[in-house]
Amino acid sequence: EVQLVQSGAEVKQPGATVRISCNISGYTFTDSYIHWVQQAPGKGLEWMGFVDPEDSRSVYAENFQGRVTITADTSTDTVYMQVNSLGSDDTAVYFCATGLTIPQGGYWGQGTLVTVSS
Amino acid sequence: DVVMTQSPLSLPVTLGQPASISCRSSQSLVYSDGDSYLSWFQQRPGQSPRRLIYKVSNRDSGVPDRFSGSGSGTDFTLKISRVEAEDVGLYYCMQGTHWPLTFGGGTKVEIK
Repeated sequence: EVQLVQSGAEVKQPGATVRISCNISGYTFTDSYIHWVQQAPGKGLEWMGFVDPEDSRSVYAENFQGRVTITADTSTDTVYMQVNSLGSDDTAVYFCATGLTIPQGGYWGQGTLVTVSS
Repeated sequence: DVVMTQSPLSLPVTLGQPASISCRSSQSLVYSDGDSYLSWFQQRPGQSPRRLIYKVSNRDSGVPDRFSGSGSGTDFTLKISRVEAEDVGLYYCMQGTHWPLTFGGGTKVEIK
C-alpha cells in the first residue's frame, strides 16, 4: 500500500521558516516527481513545485520561486518542503503528492496545516 | 500560465441521477507525445484530494466505473453516471501538459 505520511501541524510567527516532511512508503521513491500543493483556508489547490528524487532537480511555480525549497532524501524516502519569510497568506494546508500526471502516481499525503500568526 | 475554468461552481444533484462537470483550458493540452495531460481530482470534506482520472479518460485503480472522463484539445468533462452520497465534495481538474501545473477553481457537488 502506498503511503505518504506528512509531519504534523505547525504554528509559526510572521517572518519565520517552516520545514515540512513527507515520508513515502510502498512506492519506488525515484519513480516520479514529488509535488507540493498549497490549499489556503476555503480555497482551491495551487501547485508549488516538485523535486525529482532521481537527480534532486527542483522546479518551482513563479509565486513560490526564491522562498520555497523542495529537497529529497533518497536514504529515507523523504521529501522536504521549506518556506522562508512566512506571512499570513502562507496559512494553509500543504500536501505532498506523487507523480500527479503519470499512471503510476497520483497519491497524496494527509496534509500539513501551517498557521502563521503573531 | 494555462488557465483552467470549471463549470458549474456548484452542482446540486439528486441521488441516482447523472452529473457532469466541464473544464476548459486556455490552451490546447495536447503534448508533443500526442497525449493530453488532464486529470480530475475528488476532495471529500476534510480529506486530501484523490485522483480519479489521468490523461483525460483513464480511471485510477479503485475508482468506481460510474466516473468517466472525456474531451480533447481545450474542452474536457467529468461525468458521474449515477451520483451516490459518497460523491459529495469538491472536484478539480488539473493540466499537466504545460509548466506550471494549474488547477481549475473547483466544482462543489452536493445532494439536493
